[in-house]
Amino acid sequence: QQQVKQSPQSLIVQKGGISIINCAYENTAFDYFPWYQQFPGKGPALLIAIRPDVSEKKEGRFTISFNKSAKQFSLHIMDSQPGDSATYFCAASTGGSYIPTFGRGTSLIVHP
Amino acid sequence: DVKVTQSSRYLVKRTGEKVFLECVQDMDHENMFWYRQDPGLGLRLIYFSYDVKMKEKGDIPEGYSVSREKKERFSLILESASTNQTSMYLCASRELGGSTEAFFGQGTRLTVV
Repeated sequence: QQQVKQSPQSLIVQKGGISIINCAYENTAFDYFPWYQQFPGKGPALLIAIRPDVSEKKEGRFTISFNKSAKQFSLHIMDSQPGDSATYFCAASTGGSYIPTFGRGTSLIVHP
Repeated sequence: DVKVTQSSRYLVKRTGEKVFLECVQDMDHENMFWYRQDPGLGLRLIYFSYDVKMKEKGDIPEGYSVSREKKERFSLILESASTNQTSMYLCASRELGGSTEAFFGQGTRLTVV
């Protein structure tokens, strides 16, 4: 079964710190790697995504780093804010599959 | 603004009841999904549909069925609700072709008593 392994399960950082969430995958056919952000009581929403032809993508304080050879990708949140407190899911998919594969999620708490 | 709308935010049902969760998307997406979300277990796929009247089992289909009579609507049915089906249920849709964003509804918090 296709899997995406996400770590850590929970993360606590101080305001202004860097939050780092990691994901690893096995299927080399994956060609789309999104991160979703979910606030309590809401559905997940796309935060940022990357394709394997680039090693890094940055949108504001959020950066995806992608290591194709290691089959790993990570989300970095710079200058973390209390409003970033949420659950984050990594995912991976291929053009040939109907189903995105999700990591188990990381609960991020940013203390003021 | 694209939308996936789930009919209820909160539901409380009794054990043994037949429960219908409705989901509607306005993006003309071919693919639709039902997930359940439980603490520590992430998103687990119950069923998905890649076209009208087409459905496939996901990882945890037992105790559930689905219906997709129209492209925009995907219903999840709990044939006889049980307490272990108390969970957050999330509907999602995505256009044909796997390498694209999935859009989620706001979720339905179902409690079975």
